[in-house]
Amino acid sequence: AQSVAQPEDQVNVAEGNPLTVKCTYSVSGNPYLFWYVQYPNRGLQFLLKYITGDNLVKGSYGFEAEFNKSQTSFHLKKPSALVSDSALYFCAVRDPSGGSYIPTFGRGTSLIVHP
Amino acid sequence: SAVISQKPSRDICQRGTSLTIQCQVDSQVTMMFWYRQQPGQSLTLIATANQGSEATYESGFVIDKFPISRPNLTFSTLTVSNMSPEDSSIYLCSVVEQGVVGTGELFFGEGSRLTVL
Repeated sequence: AQSVAQPEDQVNVAEGNPLTVKCTYSVSGNPYLFWYVQYPNRGLQFLLKYITGDNLVKGSYGFEAEFNKSQTSFHLKKPSALVSDSALYFCAVRDPSGGSYIPTFGRGTSLIVHP
Repeated sequence: SAVISQKPSRDICQRGTSLTIQCQVDSQVTMMFWYRQQPGQSLTLIATANQGSEATYESGFVIDKFPISRPNLTFSTLTVSNMSPEDSSIYLCSVVEQGVVGTGELFFGEGSRLTVL
């Protein structure tokens, strides 16, 4: 079984400060991990993924995420937040050993960046 | 990445009516999915749209309520039948491109925002 948790419904950060959006996962094997962003009145956009290799993954719009196997986490980070980063962020996990191509999504975290 | 177009982008419907949502992709894709996103909630998978055969529905979703067609590798429709206010949601078409079937990242359309009165 695969599951993912986003422990924060909302994250508030001031513009220019670093941001972190948390994600933890549970799979029986090695995970495939994804982050998506949903801007208001838009569909989801793919940000980045971890499949294998370097634990620090870089993605679109200056975002990065760090895979931590011991803590089963895949937190999304950005060194300096922009007001335009305000959106809903979804973490997703897929267990490739499970035979399904369908990821499980977290409940989403609303990021609010204050000017 | 594939460009995914959904129509309509939004609609307001009356209780008891049906609405068909279209999803058009600009390239052939291996897998297509339909998701529902209820207000303030995460994504719930409705079904996998299978090309040339009946869709595969997730628990809690049935073909009579959400009939799906996928006549080819670039197009699918989702119908929401006999609508009630509880069907008010965003409906999202999603695809897995042929080049990334192994890793399986999804690409989404802009969504169809449905309000049922």
